[in-house]
Amino acid sequence: DIQMTQSPSSLSASVGDRVTITCRASQTISSNLNWYQQKPGKAPKLLIYATSSLQSGVPSRFSGSGSGTDFTLTISSLQPEDFATYYCQQNNSSPLSFGGGTKVEIK
Amino acid sequence: EVQLVESGGGLVQPGGSLRLSCAASGFTFSGSGMHWVRQAPGKGLEWLSYISTSGAIIYYADSVKGRFTISRDNGKSSLYLQMNSLRDEDTAVYYCATSSWWRMVVWGQGTTVTVSS
Repeated sequence: DIQMTQSPSSLSASVGDRVTITCRASQTISSNLNWYQQKPGKAPKLLIYATSSLQSGVPSRFSGSGSGTDFTLTISSLQPEDFATYYCQQNNSSPLSFGGGTKVEIK
Repeated sequence: EVQLVESGGGLVQPGGSLRLSCAASGFTFSGSGMHWVRQAPGKGLEWLSYISTSGAIIYYADSVKGRFTISRDNGKSSLYLQMNSLRDEDTAVYYCATSSWWRMVVWGQGTTVTVSS
């Protein structure tokens, strides 16, 4: 089974900051990596799929990169509505798996 | 508008059973694979199960294999999760989601399952 490890588990940032979240897979998953955003009490929302493709309607300040085992989600200029928890997920093989999440909080 | 609405959650005793439903609308349900994902209180997301468009291909997480059964009725645009032998650690919000290349694209609002005596 593929384990997904995110870092950091939480971070504090200010509006306008550049934020980077890392996700590492326990084995190579090619580019089969997705990112989700979840706000308190709400269902997750798909942000980025296939490592770097932006889901329809997602602002361009979100971007993804990486391949193999190491992946990154970047928010170029943090906005008030971006404070949330972010999860990576591998869809390379079953069982599918999520990272533990990164909570982005207001500094 | 694409919409998924889960139902069937509630309070159940350990060892009990529950059947969750997910009603789909606004898209061709028979053309979409589907997932169940859960989130325990204060915890992260856990993928549980996937079913293909026809139901011919099914996968489970080890944590629920042998206890949970995923199924679908394309005529009713509905997805189901039969949960047996429930444990305290199954307490969570359960989400259904549409699948595209095994990523979860559209999510329901979730239904809460509490396993407690």
